[in-house]
Amino acid sequence: EVQMVESGGGWVQPGGSLRLSCAASGFTFTHYAMSWVRQAPGKGLEWVSHISGSGGSTYYADSVTGRFTVFRDNTKNTLYLEMNSLRADDTAVYYCAKDPMGWGYFDYWGQGTLVTVSS
Amino acid sequence: IQMTQSPSSLSASVGDRVTITCRASQSISRSLNWYQQKPGKAPNLLIYTTSSLQGGVPSRFSGSGSGTDFTLTISDLQPEDFAVYYCQQNYNNPYTFGQGTKLEIK
Repeated sequence: EVQMVESGGGWVQPGGSLRLSCAASGFTFTHYAMSWVRQAPGKGLEWVSHISGSGGSTYYADSVTGRFTVFRDNTKNTLYLEMNSLRADDTAVYYCAKDPMGWGYFDYWGQGTLVTVSS
Repeated sequence: IQMTQSPSSLSASVGDRVTITCRASQSISRSLNWYQQKPGKAPNLLIYTTSSLQGGVPSRFSGSGSGTDFTLTISDLQPEDFAVYYCQQNYNNPYTFGQGTKLEIK
């Protein structure tokens, strides 16, 4: 059974940093691209970043470029999102999502982890 | 690429047939996907590449379109179908979602 479990969310002050993790199981992790997608409270979905199966290729939304870094450890079947210079508008539930073809759509999602940026 | 869904909300009854529309700000060929999201839950992929039904999704869900205009149709609405629906383009980065359509029980 495919499963992804996010962790690392919490409360942080503006300008602070946080690292999210997504532990994957039930599939050959290194074979699949992954993305982070976020959802601000009561709002819609926003794609954040993409990483290829090898980790050699990454893409970011303009809103997080230069502040967020996506990486993965295929020996640990874990995806990460390093978030720096956090702002209030980064407050959201962050989901990791599996990209079955590497084409940019998502067939499995984690349950999400809430990040709250507030003073 | 901007994705615009209509309507933003919709009331319907069990057994109805409903259609949700998604329009892209430029041509995206057939690179359009649909997700369902229920309160407090992660999104669930329904349809990918315009019309391919994801495994395990009931056949009452269908998708069509190409270029800039796309539709999601749900026939014979069931109680479990009342949720928020999002379209998403994966034609190019950044991947973008529509603002969502909330389907409510009439």
